[in-house]
Amino acid sequence: QSVLTQPPSVSGAPGQRVTISCTGSSSNIGAGYDVHWYHQLPGTAPKLLMYGNNNRPSGVPDRFSGSKSGTSASLAITGLQAEDEADYYCQSYDSSLSGSGVVFGGGTKLTVL
Amino acid sequence: QVQLVQSGAEVKKPGASVKVSCKASGYTFTSYYMHWVRQAPGQGLEWMGIINTSTGYTSYAQKFQGRVTMTSDTSTSTVYMELSSLRSEDTAVYYCARDHGYSYGPLDYWGQGTLVTVSS
Repeated sequence: QSVLTQPPSVSGAPGQRVTISCTGSSSNIGAGYDVHWYHQLPGTAPKLLMYGNNNRPSGVPDRFSGSKSGTSASLAITGLQAEDEADYYCQSYDSSLSGSGVVFGGGTKLTVL
Repeated sequence: QVQLVQSGAEVKKPGASVKVSCKASGYTFTSYYMHWVRQAPGQGLEWMGIINTSTGYTSYAQKFQGRVTMTSDTSTSTVYMELSSLRSEDTAVYYCARDHGYSYGPLDYWGQGTLVTVSS
């Protein structure tokens, strides 16, 4: 069971817009820690897609955007393309009485119909 | 360019230990923390811990406390992750990943992954 909650799957047709949610709590996202997003193609290492809630690394198209509010964050993808089909993970930091460290969402599989 | 190159796949018996290496290049090694993250077959990402590559200070996820040891060799720009008392549930791909910030993430560069298979 992941500390951050993501939907297991989302889907959309080419050209459409999809969003992936990432729900945390007061000890992580709600505590003000940034949310970062990664995508992962089968058999490859994860790759940074969005950092600091809404910043794109160089080379990531502006079809990808991120937002954060309260104890949740979301990743939006517009103009969906076949190459966007991948697993997506959110990541933040958690600090509680039981310990502190990086936490990930369970991952969301994006299917382009 | 930044590169993290990990050691090759390992097959271990239950109860044994495994040590995975991650050699960094293309940047100042001691200026960035390094994380270890694992991914069991068909599962999501699981954070194991982090090491300050300069001082050797470590912080481990509670789940791995007592079983994992992370070390840093500044002379070769290499970090190591050793996991002991292996069980079948430890079968996974293990990644090293550089922290771009101050240990909170983001993890901006990842190694290619090392498959560790635990089987009798």
